[in-house]
Amino acid sequence: EDQVTQSPEALRLQEGESSSLNCSYTVSGLRGLFWYRQDPGKGPEFLFTLYSAGEEKEKERLKATLTKKESFLHITAPKPEDSATYLCAVQARVTNAGKSTFGDGTTLTVKP
Amino acid sequence: DTGVSQDPRHKITKRGQNVTFRCDPISEHNRLYWYRQTLGQGPEFLTYFQNEAQLEKSRLLSDRFSAERPKGSFSTLEIQRTEQGDSAMYLCASSPGGVNEQYFGPGTRLTVT
Repeated sequence: EDQVTQSPEALRLQEGESSSLNCSYTVSGLRGLFWYRQDPGKGPEFLFTLYSAGEEKEKERLKATLTKKESFLHITAPKPEDSATYLCAVQARVTNAGKSTFGDGTTLTVKP
Repeated sequence: DTGVSQDPRHKITKRGQNVTFRCDPISEHNRLYWYRQTLGQGPEFLTYFQNEAQLEKSRLLSDRFSAERPKGSFSTLEIQRTEQGDSAMYLCASSPGGVNEQYFGPGTRLTVT
């Protein structure tokens, strides 16, 4: 069964203090690994898709990387508006449905 | 706004009542998903439609839950004889064919009293 574990559960940073969020996964043949951002009371918002080990994607202050066992979401010089829960999800190659298995997220708080 | 929409946004019901939620996907998206999310947890897959066909259903989905997508457009999720354990956020997502990421709606928050 596909599994996704995210750490830490919560992360508090000062504005400008860079850090990384971890997503460890086990899946029977990875089709894709996804990062989403979720604000309180809202649905997840798509950020990145990574398909193979060594791949990297960047968007503003966020950079996602992928190895065969884990993914990192690096946040450089975060701002208070980056505060949110960041979710990692995987899809297995065997599924035709695109069913995603999610981790429980890392809740990031950035203090000004 | 051309995103995924869900209705209602909030629903409070008494245990034992039936509830129905609606999801309108992004218009050109042929894939539609339902997930359930409880506080502090990630979304949990419930079911998947490709056009009007329901192709996958989670083992977690008891026979009190049913979903439809008539004509491959909007979808409904019905919960019969609600239980307190059904209290959660119900999320709908859609995606076009050939794309793996999913686009989520704002969710329907269900509270069963």
